This record gives sequence, C-alpha cells and structure tokens, in this order.
Amino acid sequence: AQTVTQSQPEMSVQEAETVTLSCTYDTSESDYYLFWYKQPPSRQMILVIRQEAYKQQNATENRFSVNFQKAAKSFSLKISDSQLGDAAMYFCAYRRGGGGADGLTFGKGTHLIIQP
Amino acid sequence: DGGITQSPKYLFRKEGQNVTLSCEQNLNHDAMYWYRQDPGQGLRLIYYSQIVNDFQKGDIAEGYSVSREKKESFPLTVTSAQKNPTAFYLCASSIVEGIGQPQHFGDGTRLSIL
Repeated sequence: AQTVTQSQPEMSVQEAETVTLSCTYDTSESDYYLFWYKQPPSRQMILVIRQEAYKQQNATENRFSVNFQKAAKSFSLKISDSQLGDAAMYFCAYRRGGGGADGLTFGKGTHLIIQP
Repeated sequence: DGGITQSPKYLFRKEGQNVTLSCEQNLNHDAMYWYRQDPGQGLRLIYYSQIVNDFQKGDIAEGYSVSREKKESFPLTVTSAQKNPTAFYLCASSIVEGIGQPQHFGDGTRLSIL
C-alpha cells in the first residue's frame, strides 16, 4: 500500500518570505501523480499544484513550485512571497498512474502560519 | 457556476440511527468519491464510483454504504454499524478521461453524535 508522510505538523513563516513544506511517499509503482491541496479554515480542499511522475520538470503555479525527487520519493512544496491568505493546512496526496477513477492517499498535513 | 454541493453542512446522529449525507455535482464528472477527515489527520477514502450503478470500497468502507443511481449524485449513508462516525466528510469528483485528473471537492459535512 502507498503511504504519504508529512513530517512537519506545523510551519511558520514571515509574510513575504519563502517557505518549503516537505512530503515523502512510498510506492512500488513507477507511474503515479502527486498533488498538493490547501485547506483553509473554511475546510474546502483547493488544488494547489500537480506533478506527473514521468515528467522530470518540476511543476510551477505562480508563487507555488515543487521540488520533485523521484529517486528519493520526495515532493516538497515551495511557497514564495508568502501572503496572509496562504495560511492553511496543506496536504500532500498520491494517486496511482493510469486513467479511470482512483482515490487519493493523503498525508496528515502541515499547518502553515503566516506571521504579519 | 459548476461545482459540488454537499448537504447538510452539519448533521447529528442518535445512537442506532442511520443518516445519509448528500453530494450533488453539476460538473459532468463521471467519477465521485467520499472521504473522511478526523482531527489532525489527512483524508481517508471511504468509497468511490467511476460510473452509474457501480462503486468500489475504499480504505475504510466498513459501516458505510453508497449508491450511484444518477451521474450527478453520490449519497453516503453512515449506518449504525459505524461506531465512531463523528468526523468531517468530504465529497469529490473528477473526470475519468485522460490521466491523473485532479479531484474537485465540496464544502463538506460535519457529522456529530448526540
């Protein structure tokens, strides 16, 4: 079974600074997808960024980027120029490769605090 | 606007009672999912469905049941067999075509025991 581990229960960063959230995963498959979701106090899950395992290039979405190290099974999220609205729980998630429907395996999350 | 609607927002269950959580989507997605979230935990998969009249158990299906009679709807029943139902429940949907499509989530239902 796949597992996803987020080793930082809580992180704090000053507004406008950069912060990196860690995620490692365990799988025997070579084809899979990785996601970062944000859950603000409203509790809605919002997709932040997605990475396909077969792509070597790290995904980027505006201020959000990932460092995907396939051999190390590591998938960290970097948030640049942190803003107060970035404060939330962040979850790393794994999905096996291929099409069709399949559930996500989530880590336990990292609570990100933005200091003004 | 397209989206996923979960109702009710808050739900209370008495001992021995079954309760049903509603999930409706107008995104024309084929696949739908139910997750459970406990405090300090990530989401865990309960059930999922790729097509009408077909669904699969997830990691924690015991004490839950689902139906998929319409593409737009995927209700979750929490039965009396689920001894610890207090949690936050999230419904999601995704397209099936293509690969690695992300899931889109509703706003959730919080279930508590009276």
